[in-house]
Amino acid sequence: AQSVTQPDIHITVSEGASLELRCNYSYGATPYLFWYVQSPGQGLQLLLKYFSGDTLVQGIKGFEAEFKRSQSSFNLRKPSVHWSDAAEYFCAGRTGGGNKLTFGTGTQLKVEL
Amino acid sequence: GAVVSQHPSRVICKSGTSVKIECRSLDFQATTMFWYRQFPKQSLMLMATSNEGSKATYEQGVEKDKFLINHASLTLSTLTVTSAHPEDSSFYICSANEVAGAAHTQYFGPGTRLTVL
Repeated sequence: AQSVTQPDIHITVSEGASLELRCNYSYGATPYLFWYVQSPGQGLQLLLKYFSGDTLVQGIKGFEAEFKRSQSSFNLRKPSVHWSDAAEYFCAGRTGGGNKLTFGTGTQLKVEL
Repeated sequence: GAVVSQHPSRVICKSGTSVKIECRSLDFQATTMFWYRQFPKQSLMLMATSNEGSKATYEQGVEKDKFLINHASLTLSTLTVTSAHPEDSSFYICSANEVAGAAHTQYFGPGTRLTVL
């Protein structure tokens, strides 16, 4: 079955430190992958997406993600975290021919000042 | 980027009443929109896929007679919670599919907080 897994429920980092949020996928073929961010009481904002091509994807707000087929991963990274990055982060995927997204359970990011 | 709006952002209603939530794609046309429900500190649960000009497709376990979906135009989908009860209280989020060739991306609205008294 298709699935997206975010192993970390909570992550705490200090402001200015680097960040990596993990996402693993299980699909029969190469999926289309997305990272979204959700602030409390808000909808989801798209950070970046991977469809094909260059496996290192740049997104908004200084985020990037790398698609690694060998590890079935699509981890989100940021070199220096800001306090405003504190939020819930969701990894999601779908098949190339499908419409529906499969979401991970989310990772809650806390930033310590 | 693509913008999706939702209205209202917050609604409080009495048990037994119906509530309508609107989802609009502001700068693109969307033949497909999606309705999700999110419980506190949980991921999104897809309720239904809304298709312009045709009936919505509901996920297993979602009552189609309780959650009425209408997608009358390429920029508007509505979700009506009929005869709402306290257990329907939740955060409802819509998304709209922006299609660019073979690639399409879901853009999300800001959500609607429904509280049923």
